Amino acid sequence: DIQMTQSPSAMSASVGDRVTITCRASQGISNYLVWFQQKPGKGPKRLIYAASSLQSGVPSRFSGSGSGTEFTLTINSLQPEDFATYYCLQYDSYPLTFGGGSRVEIK
Amino acid sequence: EVQLVESGGDLVQPGGSLRLSCAASGFSFSDHYVDWVRQAPGKGLEWVGLMRNRAHSYSTEYAASVKGRFTVSRDESKNSVYLQMNSLNIDDTAVYYCTRGTERAYDGKTLEYWGQGTVVTVSS
Repeated sequence: DIQMTQSPSAMSASVGDRVTITCRASQGISNYLVWFQQKPGKGPKRLIYAASSLQSGVPSRFSGSGSGTEFTLTINSLQPEDFATYYCLQYDSYPLTFGGGSRVEIK
Repeated sequence: EVQLVESGGDLVQPGGSLRLSCAASGFSFSDHYVDWVRQAPGKGLEWVGLMRNRAHSYSTEYAASVKGRFTVSRDESKNSVYLQMNSLNIDDTAVYYCTRGTERAYDGKTLEYWGQGTVVTVSS
């Protein structure tokens, strides 16, 4: 199985900050990576697919990059509604596997 | 509007069984794979399994943690998918989400839409 390692597991940031979250795959997955946002008590919302394609309706301050084994989710100018937990997911092969999550908290 | 509505979550004793349902609407159900994902209390997301579409012979995949105990099925006439869960243990306690998956491998539509989830609690 492909292991997905996310970092950091938690972070504090302020409104307006630029935030970067990293996901590392245990083997190459091309660009078969999705990023999700989850708020407490809610189901996940897809933000980015194919590593860098923005999901329709998602603000352009979210961006994704990377291929192979190293991927990054960047949030430019963090907004109050962006405080949440973020997960990566690889869909290169089954079983699909998620990263452990990165919680973004208010500083 | 794409909608996925799960139901069937309940309190069940260890060793018991439960069947979850997911009713889909707002898209061509028969064209898509359907995946199940779960989230234990206070924990991260775990992919459970999927059933592919007719074009891919309704084949299935499962996580190792549920293989042999859980079965995904679908009823095209009802635009519904099911998760039959047998031999439940306390580690299966979670919110279970139904998600709309791809139409074919690597089309970028993996887990694009999610239901609101249904709660399964395994406890004596």
